[in-house]
Amino acid sequence: SYELTQPPSVSVSPGQTARITCSGDALPKQYAYWYQQKPGQAPVVVIYKDSERPSGIPERFSGSTSGTTATLTISGVQAEDEADYHCQSPDSSGTYPVFGGGTKLNVL
Amino acid sequence: EVQLVQSEAEVKKPGESLKITCQGSGYSFTNNWIGWVRQMPGKGLEWMALIYPGDSDTRYSPSFQGQVTISADKSISTAYLQWSSLKASDTAMYYCARAERLNYFDYWGQGTLVTVSS
Repeated sequence: SYELTQPPSVSVSPGQTARITCSGDALPKQYAYWYQQKPGQAPVVVIYKDSERPSGIPERFSGSTSGTTATLTISGVQAEDEADYHCQSPDSSGTYPVFGGGTKLNVL
Repeated sequence: EVQLVQSEAEVKKPGESLKITCQGSGYSFTNNWIGWVRQMPGKGLEWMALIYPGDSDTRYSPSFQGQVTISADKSISTAYLQWSSLKASDTAMYYCARAERLNYFDYWGQGTLVTVSS
């Protein structure tokens, strides 16, 4: 079955740039989506269609894709950005959604 | 405003049945896919099933096919997830979410915690 691979954790200091990657063979053909999930809360979309930002999401959140890797970049990380981040993409045929394993962003 | 409101937490014993609910409002419930996502304690998100309430077309993750049943009642804008015989391993948070054309989940419910313990 199709898989998306994320690092288990990423650590940054406040004000630095955090980059979270997501690897999958179908990413050249399918869009990547990113969700932020804070403890005890439901996930929230922060990036859709590789690089689009929903209204209300701060400009410091951006997304990009190159080949089989999608990247979520958070510039000028703030303490409130500490959360789990999940990537998601349809499988290669677009039949069903697939989630990555999630990455915990630690703001030191 | 799009809202998905889920039923309250449940505590069940192994072997019992369960049906949890998700009521949508603020959008055309009939014309949008809606799905269920599992999150086991301390783990990531897993897509389980999707339904298109307009014609009851359903899709199941191979991991959950035969383990759960998704359904919907478009007259009351409500989706359901059902188990016929719960196991301890079904203990998890379950989220319903609207799926934008099967691509991604743009609106989420607040989650329903299901605890299965003898």
